[in-house]
Amino acid sequence: KAGVTQTPRYLIKTRGQQVTLSCSPISGHRSVSWYQQTPGQGLQFLFEYFSETQRNKGNFPGRFSGRQFSNSRSEMNVSTLELGDSALYLCASSPRLAGSYEQYFGPGTRLTVT
Amino acid sequence: GEDVEQSLFLSVREGDSSVINCTYTDSSSTYLYWYKQEPGAGLQLLTYIFSNMDMKQDQRLTVLLNKKDKHLSLRIADTQTGDSAIYFCAEVGSSASKIIFGSGTRLSIRP
Repeated sequence: KAGVTQTPRYLIKTRGQQVTLSCSPISGHRSVSWYQQTPGQGLQFLFEYFSETQRNKGNFPGRFSGRQFSNSRSEMNVSTLELGDSALYLCASSPRLAGSYEQYFGPGTRLTVT
Repeated sequence: GEDVEQSLFLSVREGDSSVINCTYTDSSSTYLYWYKQEPGAGLQLLTYIFSNMDMKQDQRLTVLLNKKDKHLSLRIADTQTGDSAIYFCAEVGSSASKIIFGSGTRLSIRP
């Protein structure tokens, strides 16, 4: 069974631009969660989608948004990029809601904002 | 509030046992996890333990849970160079809707 895939793996953007990251979960998994990982803040939860609905959201500004499609693939969008958005963005999939089952992580997308 | 704490670094000699410790604050946690992250990679689920268990063993890995002290540990027997990584402890928060991660412990192996 293929693992969680994320595209692109690396991305360089400039301040003020917007970016869309994609995550394809493990086949049959309906939950996709997104995390931001930085050296200073560690792993921070962004949001979780389950069956195309956002089920939970972390403490991030409205510039961070996401969606999930009927095939469970998910996209995350960040608008008006800031230097502080430079991070590794990880997505994780789970067959059920993340709080009730272990999650499986993708390799991440490394976003650099200049 | 929900919080998970780990020490930042651990250095052990190859062949010795490594013990990585974690404390958490949410007494209603139902699941506790250990993840491993190698350089440039995502997180790999190593093992997990239900809150009604005290211990779980899986090959070289032993997880101990002390609910009274809200303390979780991961013991890696016969530590190898391939075990060099950052290890994250995580708990399911009381709302059971998200996972709270610790800051990670960087394990380095010396010859």
